[in-house]
Amino acid sequence: DAKTTQPTSMDCAEGRAANLPCNHSTISGNEYVYWYRQIHSQGPQYIIHGLKNNETNEMASLIITEDRKSSTLILPHATLRDTAVYYCIVDGNQGGKLIFGQGTELSVKP
Amino acid sequence: NAGVMQNPRHLVRRRGQEARLRCSPMKGHSHVYWYRQLPEEGLKFMVYLQKENIIDESGMPKERFSAEFPKEGPSILRIQQVVRGDSAAYFCASSPSFEGSIQYFGAGTRLSVL
Repeated sequence: DAKTTQPTSMDCAEGRAANLPCNHSTISGNEYVYWYRQIHSQGPQYIIHGLKNNETNEMASLIITEDRKSSTLILPHATLRDTAVYYCIVDGNQGGKLIFGQGTELSVKP
Repeated sequence: NAGVMQNPRHLVRRRGQEARLRCSPMKGHSHVYWYRQLPEEGLKFMVYLQKENIIDESGMPKERFSAEFPKEGPSILRIQQVVRGDSAAYFCASSPSFEGSIQYFGAGTRLSVL
């Protein structure tokens, strides 16, 4: 079973920041937070991951609370092509299977 | 650097036939994963393989499904005697041995069972 809770859906205006929350209150000390997304009919795509510090790459930023019980994925300037289902996954970072929950369906609107 | 290649992209089979799905991992990747996505459902892990070894098959149905990743050539997911409930998108992912849980996914094979 997924260890995370995400809103089912969210809307965002094109050009604005999209902030996608994720609760992972049972995360253990050696588990990382990973984000993937799946654009309709395509394979999932890795976005970003982190342990305790905030992370940023060319796609997004990841903000993890100090107690690590929740995190937020930020797409700074959402475009229509960012419309997708976004999955937050808690994982021990040892490789092996990923457990996908239901994710958040993000709709970016013009 | 080519990504994960899956073929065929679409596969149509009649009930009782066999389906063979192929996955070529990214160059240098020795770990392969298979996931299944039933219509209107989430992604479910099926099997994790390294070259010539099955590491975790906890998500594989006990009957009719098998997977291999030979020393040479692509990984194969084989479904014998397909039934309508096998209709789904099957995704393959690969990873190198040193990138934790970052997996690179292919575009998937969409299996339709008539």
